Amino acid sequence: LAKTTQPISMDSYEGQEVNITCSHNNIATNDYITWYQQFPSQGPRFIIQGYKTKVTNEVASLFIPADRKSSTLSLPRVSLSDTAVYYCLVGPIKAAGNKLTFGGGTRVLVKP
Amino acid sequence: DAGVIQSPRHEVTEMGQEVTLRCKPISGHNSLFWYRQTMMRGLELLIYFNNNVPIDDSGMPEDRFSAKMPNASFSTLKIQPSEPRDSAVYFCASSWTTGGSLTGELFFGEGSRLTVL
Repeated sequence: LAKTTQPISMDSYEGQEVNITCSHNNIATNDYITWYQQFPSQGPRFIIQGYKTKVTNEVASLFIPADRKSSTLSLPRVSLSDTAVYYCLVGPIKAAGNKLTFGGGTRVLVKP
Repeated sequence: DAGVIQSPRHEVTEMGQEVTLRCKPISGHNSLFWYRQTMMRGLELLIYFNNNVPIDDSGMPEDRFSAKMPNASFSTLKIQPSEPRDSAVYFCASSWTTGGSLTGELFFGEGSRLTVL
């Protein structure tokens, strides 16, 4: 399983763009990159998933360079409600649930 | 649509007592996962069911923990006897898998916060 490394915490201000980079140097060919968001006192929630290049949805964008050894989650114009822990997961799309391991995540604090 | 439903949301008990946590997965999902979250260890997968059958329980800490899934719409995680170190938030998640392979996202419940005194 590809090991992931992401910053422990990040601070930002309302209206700014937040970029969280996750390193996964030993990503395998059939691995996908998935990001989850967890608010205090709630379970994690799926944000976005990608394999290569760029993926965008209504919540975030995911940028994956050609070598796929890292990925960047981009949150545009954050608000206070985006304060949460963000987890980067790497695993094969067809992995059984026990192959998805949550690391420590990145704690994002959005300030007024 | 109702999401994953867990009960109780909070439980405070004394060491040695039996604790039972309950989970109702999303209708139609065929896989169910129990996770435990603590500050020290983060989110840990305890056990994974597929079509009501336990597939991987290697994350279950010890024999004091047991999990069942008698039908597709209900699962329990039991701790007997409970110890203070079991204090944590326990999450249930469900998803759809094909041939045992995860095909999409995990949907988590709001968790059950357990405090063992």
